[in-house]
Amino acid sequence: NAGVTQTPKFRVLKTGQSMTLLCAQDMNHEYMYWYRQDPGMGLRLIHYSVGEGTTAKGEVPDGYNVSRLKKQNFLLGLESAAPSQTSVYFCASSYDTGNGFSNQPQHFGDGTRLSIL
Amino acid sequence: SQQGEEDPQALSIQEGENATMNCSYKTSINNLQWYRQNSGRGLVHLILIRSNEREKHSGRLRVTLDTSKKSSSLLITASRAADTASYFCATVVDQTGANNLFFGTGTRLTVIP
Repeated sequence: NAGVTQTPKFRVLKTGQSMTLLCAQDMNHEYMYWYRQDPGMGLRLIHYSVGEGTTAKGEVPDGYNVSRLKKQNFLLGLESAAPSQTSVYFCASSYDTGNGFSNQPQHFGDGTRLSIL
Repeated sequence: SQQGEEDPQALSIQEGENATMNCSYKTSINNLQWYRQNSGRGLVHLILIRSNEREKHSGRLRVTLDTSKKSSSLLITASRAADTASYFCATVVDQTGANNLFFGTGTRLTVIP
């Protein structure tokens, strides 16, 4: 049981390049999330999904797009990378009890370290 | 911002001592969660306390919640070197239709063997 797997683990981009970060979970969770972690700021929610085919904006969505074509996968795209997007990106997933997903713990991947020059 | 704040930012103790970390937040919440992050790894959920609960235990962990003061504390008893990590509180705001999980800035705990 791998849990939440993120690929790649490290990446260096040049300003203006695009890329996609992949998150896969094998726990059959309905909900998935993308966060970024910056020094001194904790984790901030970028986008999330409450099920296959659905996505929604979080606290800091600008410059990012997401897709959830399959239940187990959640993709985060950077259309035109900027140095301000240098960060560590975490994907998480959680279970749906039917009573509100905010009452369930989130399971995290080990992150993607992204540097944009 | 609704982000919480942990205090202290860093804490260094000897193995066997107790470690206490505090979290303050700004708005009313549905629940508050504590997570641990080892260096270079993802976050691991430790404990969840609901707004109508005042104290919760899990092994060597004890969490308290004071909604009148908008604060929570995490106590780790009889600390071990393996407890060295960063600890984050995350609040779930009492709203519907969105996952309002807001993380604090973390406390870095170092347990010296």
